[in-house]
Parts: sequence; structure tokens; C-alpha cells
Amino acid sequence: DADVTQTPRNRITKTGKRIMLECSQTKGHDRMYWYRQDPGLGLRLIYYSFDVKDINKGEISDGYSVSRQAQAKFSLSLESAIPNQTALYFCATSEGGSGQETQYFGPGTRLLVL
Amino acid sequence: QKEVEQDPGPLSVPEGAIVSLNCTYSNSAFQYFMWYRQYSRKGPELLMYTYSSGNKEDGRFTAQVDKSSKYISLFIRDSQPSDSATYLCAMSESGAGSYQLTFGKGTKLSVIP
Repeated sequence: DADVTQTPRNRITKTGKRIMLECSQTKGHDRMYWYRQDPGLGLRLIYYSFDVKDINKGEISDGYSVSRQAQAKFSLSLESAIPNQTALYFCATSEGGSGQETQYFGPGTRLLVL
Repeated sequence: QKEVEQDPGPLSVPEGAIVSLNCTYSNSAFQYFMWYRQYSRKGPELLMYTYSSGNKEDGRFTAQVDKSSKYISLFIRDSQPSDSATYLCAMSESGAGSYQLTFGKGTKLSVIP
């Protein structure tokens, strides 16, 4: 079974709709992240969480919100989806510490906003 | 100027060729240098990392970091069709900032049998 899972894998929605992307992990990591990936722009950090009570904005948080329901679960919400939020969304986890941190990515959610 | 520059390719090579992938960066505080590999419709996975300057070898893969030039490379020897993927360089500072990865845009590699 995959260590980091994301649901749904694909989603089509309309402008103005609220949607939620979910991430679960079985790695036991405290740190979780949400990224979006766009052609020509690479991976950009949306939000990150170092534990259940810790939520931080990343580079591009406007238009998004998150919820850390448990150590293993981290959800990303688009309150009112717009077409330029069409992208590939990845959840990632890491163990934490001050040294090199390997981030483990989920398989991604492909979102299309019409 | 972006913090990390990476040629997006695409790069197409014959099987068995030596592949060179590169990134340049501007932030001199970066200490950890990573290469992630991303297969189509999959998430990125860590391939190699290097701390500060120097070389690191793992099988057919060699990572090089030249901090004086702010330039990192990934070499793939005896490339295989299974190496066809997008390669992302990523960098981070040390200490409390080590969680924050700055990614290149990725280079798409195709190895032709």
C-alpha cells in the first residue's frame, strides 16, 4: 500500500464551487505539505504543517485553506474555485529535523476548474 | 531572476548514452541539493541528495555540486528507457530552514531504445 495517498486522483469542478482535496499518510511523519505543480512553473508550496496544531502559509496560499485533522491527515480546500487553480496538486510528508529532509510525495490530484 | 533555473528540455537520448542534467541557483544559503525523479502521473521521489559541495555516486547516477559557481549537475551513465522521466532539482538551507525546498521547473528526459 502507498505511504502517502491522495483523494480524489482527478476532479473536474466549476468556477465558484468549494472543493476539498484529501491526503493521508502511514509514514508516521509529523510534517505535511501541499504543493501545486504547473507546466513551466514547477512545484510551489501552498501550505505546510509541522504538527496537528501548527499551520503555516507557503508561497502561494491565497484562495486556499487547509485543515490538519490528525497527524496522518491533511486536507486542502479551495473555497471558491477559479480557472487559474487548474493544476496538479501534491501532498508530501517529511520526518522533520535540522538536517536534510526527504519529502515523500503522494500520487497527485489533477484538478480542472471550468 | 528565479532562485533556481533548470532547462525544461525536453531531452531525448539513445539508450546507453551519458545524460547530463543541470541547475543553477542564486541563493548562497542553500546547503542541501537534491534530485527528484518524477514519472508520468506520479509524484516526485528523491533520487539523490548532496550536502554542500562535492560529488556523490549511487550506481549509474552521480550528483555534483559546485557552490562557488552555484551550479549542480546530475549525470546518468548507461541510460535506460526506464530512466525516462522528469528530473527536478531541489535545494534547501540547513537548520530550521531545511524543510523549505526550492524546486527547479524540471527537465523531461526520454531515453530511446
